[in-house]
Amino acid sequence: AQTVTQSQPEMSVQEAETVTLSCTYDTSESDYYLFWYKQPPSRQMILVIRQEAYKQQNATENRFSVNFQKAAKSFSLKISDSQLGDAAMYFCAYRVPSGSARQLTFGSGTQLTVLP
Amino acid sequence: NAGVTQTPKFQVLKTGQSMTLQCAQDMNHNSMYWYRQDPGMGLRLIYYSASEGTTDKGEVPNGYNVSRLNKREFSLRLESAAPSQTSVYFCASSIRTGFSYEQYFGPGTRLTVT
Repeated sequence: AQTVTQSQPEMSVQEAETVTLSCTYDTSESDYYLFWYKQPPSRQMILVIRQEAYKQQNATENRFSVNFQKAAKSFSLKISDSQLGDAAMYFCAYRVPSGSARQLTFGSGTQLTVLP
Repeated sequence: NAGVTQTPKFQVLKTGQSMTLQCAQDMNHNSMYWYRQDPGMGLRLIYYSASEGTTDKGEVPNGYNVSRLNKREFSLRLESAAPSQTSVYFCASSIRTGFSYEQYFGPGTRLTVT
């Protein structure tokens, strides 16, 4: 079974600084997708960024970028120039193209606090 | 475009009561999903519907039933609520179930079973 581990339950960052959230996963698949979702206090789940496992280039979306290390099964999220609106719970998630449930498998989340 | 909507936003039930959580999407998506989120955990899939007329079990289906009423609507029913079903429930939809397709989430329903 696939598992996703986020070892940092809480992180904090000063406004305008950079923070990196860690995620590791366990899989025997070679083809899969990885995602970072943001959940603000409104509880809405918002997709931040995604990475296809077959792509060596790390995905980037404005201030958000990932460091994808396939051999190490590591998928960290870097937030640059942190803003107060970035404060939220961040979930790493994994998905394979097949399987009985076709589900997203989520980590337990990292609560990010942005300090003014 | 409202996206994915869920009703109600909050609900308190007594053990043994039944209720139905409603979900609707206006994005013409084929696939819909129900997840639950427990404290300190990520979301876990309860049931999904790959297309209108089909439903399949996810990771934690026990104690739940679903109905894909039409392409827009996907409901989740608790026949006899138990305290272990206290959770936040999220509905999501995607164009298809393929793994590259983004899932769009509703705002969630916070359910407490006493």
